[in-house]
Amino acid sequence: EAQVTQNPRYLITVTGKKLTVTCSQNMNHEYMSWYRQDPGLGLRQIYYSMNVEVTDKGDVPEGYKVSRKEKRNFPLILESPSPNQTSLYFCASSLSQQGTDTQYFGPGTRLTVL
Amino acid sequence: AQRVTQPEKLLSVFKGAPVELKCNYSYSGSPELFWYVQYSRQRLQLLLRHISRESIKGFTADLNKGETSFHLKKPFAQEEDSAMYYCALKEGSGSRLTFGEGTQLTVNP
Repeated sequence: EAQVTQNPRYLITVTGKKLTVTCSQNMNHEYMSWYRQDPGLGLRQIYYSMNVEVTDKGDVPEGYKVSRKEKRNFPLILESPSPNQTSLYFCASSLSQQGTDTQYFGPGTRLTVL
Repeated sequence: AQRVTQPEKLLSVFKGAPVELKCNYSYSGSPELFWYVQYSRQRLQLLLRHISRESIKGFTADLNKGETSFHLKKPFAQEEDSAMYYCALKEGSGSRLTFGEGTQLTVNP
């Protein structure tokens, strides 16, 4: 089944403890991105990647890192999480960055930073 | 900078009534616009895009460049339409997808 998976789905952590949220897609998509969803703010793009080893900042990249060593994986790294990073995170992928390509979203990761 | 505004955070209608979810955008070039939907406890999924000029689940949306709007409409709302709806804009040749704040639609029986 074609899908985008994220792990973990739920995570509670403490300030400063490094964490990684994994994202994987099995559709051979070139384009992947991370969003955070906050009430009243909608979805905001954190980082995106147009292909392996090609990443760029989105609208709210501060406090996050990403890597794209393989086409299928696009992990989101929080080196030193802070409470303002408590949010619902979505990974998405599409065949390319063309507007005609549908973006497929993962199920979301709910992160709480205490 | 591109921006998407959904003025209504909450919208409540009765089953069978028409529904319109508003979306306005600001972008100087030729945008590509989308509507995404998120049903309760499900992932975000594409509902429709202006370039396809399609009708999905009875919903349509017309891009009005003069008014810079892309409102989502359905003539007769159903209870299963209750969900969070997001309008999104993509630069014609760019990679960023900018979302609006979302509108929570509730269709009452």
